[in-house]
Amino acid sequence: DTEVTQTPKHLVMGMTNKKSLKCEQHMGHRAMYWYKQKAKKPPELMFVYSYEKLSINESVPSRFSPECPNSSLLNLHLHALQPEDSALYLCASTLTESSYNEQFFGPGTRLTVL
Amino acid sequence: AQTVTQSQPEMSVQEAETVTLSCTYDTSESDYYLFWYKQPPSRQMILVIRQEAYKQQNATENRFSVNFQKAAKSFSLKISDSQLGDAAMYFCAYRSPIYNQGGKLIFGQGTELSVKP
Repeated sequence: DTEVTQTPKHLVMGMTNKKSLKCEQHMGHRAMYWYKQKAKKPPELMFVYSYEKLSINESVPSRFSPECPNSSLLNLHLHALQPEDSALYLCASTLTESSYNEQFFGPGTRLTVL
Repeated sequence: AQTVTQSQPEMSVQEAETVTLSCTYDTSESDYYLFWYKQPPSRQMILVIRQEAYKQQNATENRFSVNFQKAAKSFSLKISDSQLGDAAMYFCAYRSPIYNQGGKLIFGQGTELSVKP
């Protein structure tokens, strides 16, 4: 199994809603990532978890709250988002944070904030 | 800070022909890693090829090869015998060693490649 899965595929939410994005991998990877990607732009790193601990937070607004319940799961909790937060949210995982290891990306969740 | 530049926002190639995508980067480090990722329309990003900076030999993966010029800080991707399935956005990425910025991936702005039948 060399797959990173993400649910839901699409999400539409209002600015007052609370929702969560889910990411799962069963490759035994111990580093997991959240990226935000706007159309025709490169991914922007948001958070890194290493061995279920938050390793990097790229000064992301608090309306985005990551959670790593176990080594296979990564969640991103969303609350009071703004329309400019509409984007493709990508999850990725890698064996460890070591620089050589390939990052495997999920298909993403396309988020629209109304 | 490290930066990655892809100077060609769009490229086009005829099927079965060869195309080269350019990438330059700026760093003061001697030890790092370089990657090319492919993101087809509405599909997930996958690794095409990677290169360790300490290796002089250029990496190859089937029809994909790189021209790594460390002194010039250049890392171009050559796609031979282009196929329709090669149409995608291609991102060049730089990664520092883990002890520097946690080994973050720094992406270029991307090159959108179209393949004409």
